[in-house]
Amino acid sequence: TQLLEQSPQFLSIQEGENLTVYCNSSSVFSSLQWYRQEPGEGPVLLVTVVTGGEVKKLKRLTFQFGDARKDSSLHITAAQPGDTGLYLCAGSTGNQFYFGTGTSLTVIP
Amino acid sequence: KAGVTQTPRYLIKTRGQQVTLSCSPISGHRSVSWYQQTPGQGLQFLFEYFSETQRNKGNFPGRFSGRQFSNSRSEMNVSTLELGDSALYLCASSLARPVNSPLHFGNGTRLTVT
Repeated sequence: TQLLEQSPQFLSIQEGENLTVYCNSSSVFSSLQWYRQEPGEGPVLLVTVVTGGEVKKLKRLTFQFGDARKDSSLHITAAQPGDTGLYLCAGSTGNQFYFGTGTSLTVIP
Repeated sequence: KAGVTQTPRYLIKTRGQQVTLSCSPISGHRSVSWYQQTPGQGLQFLFEYFSETQRNKGNFPGRFSGRQFSNSRSEMNVSTLELGDSALYLCASSLARPVNSPLHFGNGTRLTVT
C-alpha cells in the first residue's frame, strides 16, 4: 500500500497548456517535497513546503500544501518540453520520507 | 561540489547470486539513504545510515543489508538475488536527518536479475 497517491499517473499535453498534479494521503506530514526525475537520472528536489496552506512559486511552477498537511498540488503554467519528466511528491513523518507513486509528464512540442 | 556518485551504473546478475552497490555522498553529508525504484511500486525506502549507524529501516527482507564507512561512503548488499529484485537502486545523501534537509540523489544503479 502507498502512503501517498498521485494523480494522474500519466499525462501527455501540448506545449503551452496548463496542468495540475495531485498528491493525496490520509496521513499528516510535517513537510512535503516535490522532485522531478528525468530518464537515466536520480530525482532532483524542486521545493519543500512545511506549513499548512503554504504556496510556493518557482517560475512557472506553483506548489501548494493542503491546510491539513495531508495533500499537495503542483500546477504548471504554459508547459514546455523541458518540463517532461517524472514528478514525485514525498511526505515526511519525522523519521523518513514516503514517496508518492509518481506522475509521468510528457510535453509535446 | 561533486554530486552523489553511485557505482556501478548497470549490473546484470543471475538468480541466487549476491551483489554490492556503492554510494559516495556529497562531501560533508553524513546521512545516506537507499531506495528501490520499480515501475509498479515507485520509490521504496530501504534504510538510512548516519555516522556509520543504521538509523532507520524500511520493510525489506533481511537479504537487503547495508553499511556506512567512516568517510560516509555507503554500500548496499543484496544476497540470494531474486527476479523481483530487478530495479533501479538510488542512493541519496543529506547533511543531517533526511527529514530536516533536502535529499540529493545519485543517478542510481540499474540492477537486472535474470
